[in-house]
Amino acid sequence: EIVLTQSPATLSLSPGERATLSCRASQSVNNYLAWYQQKPGQAPRLLIYDASNRAPGIPARFSGSGSGPDFTLTISSLEPEDFAVYYCQQRSYWPPTPTFGGGTKVEIK
Amino acid sequence: QVQLVDSGGGVVQPGRSLRLSCAASGFSFSTYGMHWVRQAPGKGLEWVAVISYDGNSKYYADSVKGRFTISRDNSKNTLFLQMHSLKAEDTAVYYCAKDRRDSSGYIDSWGQGTLVTVSS
Repeated sequence: EIVLTQSPATLSLSPGERATLSCRASQSVNNYLAWYQQKPGQAPRLLIYDASNRAPGIPARFSGSGSGPDFTLTISSLEPEDFAVYYCQQRSYWPPTPTFGGGTKVEIK
Repeated sequence: QVQLVDSGGGVVQPGRSLRLSCAASGFSFSTYGMHWVRQAPGKGLEWVAVISYDGNSKYYADSVKGRFTISRDNSKNTLFLQMHSLKAEDTAVYYCAKDRRDSSGYIDSWGQGTLVTVSS
């Protein structure tokens, strides 16, 4: 079973700053990695899939990169609405079942 | 637009059963894989189960295998999760969720969630 480890657990930043979130897999997941954003009391929202493809409607300030075991979600300049919890998720090749990381909370400094 | 409406949650005693439903609209339900994902209070996301577009393939997390059954009725655009032998650790908000394709493993739409509380 592949385990995803996200770091840091909490990121304290100010609006306008750059956020860099990390996700490390216990073994290679190829590029089968997604990122989700979840705000309090809401369902998650897909941001990135296949490591670097933005989902429809996602602003360009969100970008994903990486391959193999190490991946990064970058928010180039934080907007007030970006303060939330972010989860990475991998899908096994077959069956294509998801596994989530533990999450990174981006909070206002 | 895609709409997923979860229902069926509630308070149930340990060892009892519960069935969740999800009414889907705004997309061609019968052509997409569907998932259930849960989130315990204050915790992260845990994938529970997936069913293929035609209902012929189903996969489960180890934590629910043998106790939960995912199913779908494509004629009624509805997804189900039958839960048996419920445990306290099954307490969570359960989200119905749509796969990005038939079986991409990525989730691009989510229901609002329905809370299941397992307690005596």
